[in-house]
Amino acid sequence: GQQVMQIPQYQHVQEGEDFTTYCNSSTTLSNIQWYKQRPGGHPVFLIQLVKSGEVKKQKRLTFQFGEAKKNSSLHITATQTTDVGTYFCAGRRSNTGKLIFGQGTTLQVKP
Amino acid sequence: EAQVTQNPRYLITVTGKKLTVTCSQNMNHEYMSWYRQDPGLGLRQIYYSMNVEVTDKGDVPEGYKVSRKEKRNFPLILESPSPNQTSLYFCASSNPEGLSTGTEAFFGQGTRLTVV
Repeated sequence: GQQVMQIPQYQHVQEGEDFTTYCNSSTTLSNIQWYKQRPGGHPVFLIQLVKSGEVKKQKRLTFQFGEAKKNSSLHITATQTTDVGTYFCAGRRSNTGKLIFGQGTTLQVKP
Repeated sequence: EAQVTQNPRYLITVTGKKLTVTCSQNMNHEYMSWYRQDPGLGLRQIYYSMNVEVTDKGDVPEGYKVSRKEKRNFPLILESPSPNQTSLYFCASSNPEGLSTGTEAFFGQGTRLTVV
């Protein structure tokens, strides 16, 4: 079945360093969403990308959707301790509405 | 306040004792789903529902049942729980594409289940 692969699984960075997580789908997606789960919390929606090649920014976070609509990335510039958590991508197929989550990338930031 | 409410938040039970985890949303969402989260495996979908009386299996449906008799409620039923169902469970709701409202998923607070 359709899969959404996300790498890396874990990332430890020093505060101030950059961080990137990548998401790849085996099939074309109608859109991709990104979520953040703080330790002990539940996933919370960050953003949705719909168009091929789309780039969106939220302060220090930059989200990209690939030209083929099969891959996406989340880049955090100058990480802070508040960025700690697990970041999930989730791809949606338009004919089913089913949202398929990647395995998540857990980010640790050392102060 | 828009929210998804799961109950209970924590549950310890014994093997074979039937249990139900409730999920309710107040956003009139059509789409609801259940996920389990295990270390290193991310969020795996158990069952989902596109609308009332419409349910379908996700990636890991074995040992679970669901029902969608009303739009707002989507309970998860474990008829005979086993230790391998010890996990963190999330219910989520959203609207499908094509509507004017957003399609992001709203998650409940989670239910941590331990089966001994």
